[in-house]
Amino acid sequence: GAVVSQHPSRVICKSGTSVKIECRSLDFQATTMFWYRQFPKQSLMLMATSNEGSKATYEQGVEKDKFLINHASLTLSTLTVTSAHPEDSSFYICSANRGRFQPQHFGDGTRLSIL
Amino acid sequence: AQSVTQPDIHITVSEGASLELRCNYSYGATPYLFWYVQSPGQGLQLLLKYFSGDTLVQGIKGFEAEFKRSQSSFNLRKTSVHFIDAAEYFCAVGEMEYGNKLVFGAGTILRVKS
Repeated sequence: GAVVSQHPSRVICKSGTSVKIECRSLDFQATTMFWYRQFPKQSLMLMATSNEGSKATYEQGVEKDKFLINHASLTLSTLTVTSAHPEDSSFYICSANRGRFQPQHFGDGTRLSIL
Repeated sequence: AQSVTQPDIHITVSEGASLELRCNYSYGATPYLFWYVQSPGQGLQLLLKYFSGDTLVQGIKGFEAEFKRSQSSFNLRKTSVHFIDAAEYFCAVGEMEYGNKLVFGAGTILRVKS
């Protein structure tokens, strides 16, 4: 149980393109979903926390207009990187948990490469 | 502020040898502690968690971890390492009172040699 699916696994696109990444909890309802960014050989950096039906809470330094998060249902959250540029290239990982005091379960990540 | 320290960036052990990965945390409230493993290019898999109760917790893949409040540590151990265990391991503390956020350590890369 506790499977989180992330799609796509890899995206290569031109600068200026907007890219949408989906995160789904397949076998549970996720009260909260999280979006992380991971740079090569580094740990995970939390970008934002997303609760179903409400606005996402962004961490300090993360541009809300650049990284749009929509948590449309208890099983789906999306991250849209708007007008992506090469510096947005990174590994993006989502996670979800069933509720308070529950561990986070992670998707397999999305490798985003902006040319 | 809460933080997690994994002092070892890389560790190399021989196949069949025992393993201990160190983790120290700084957290003002009751710590909720986790160990995750990440294979290259993939997401994170939960190995084990500590919320309360028995300070020695068992996880998947033969891993265990011991919570020591006096030392602010949550070290991960395995008695016999296999090649398949080569990966990066992250210790994390959960801010369960504040939206279940996780604070991760920098990670330890485990290499297994023959």
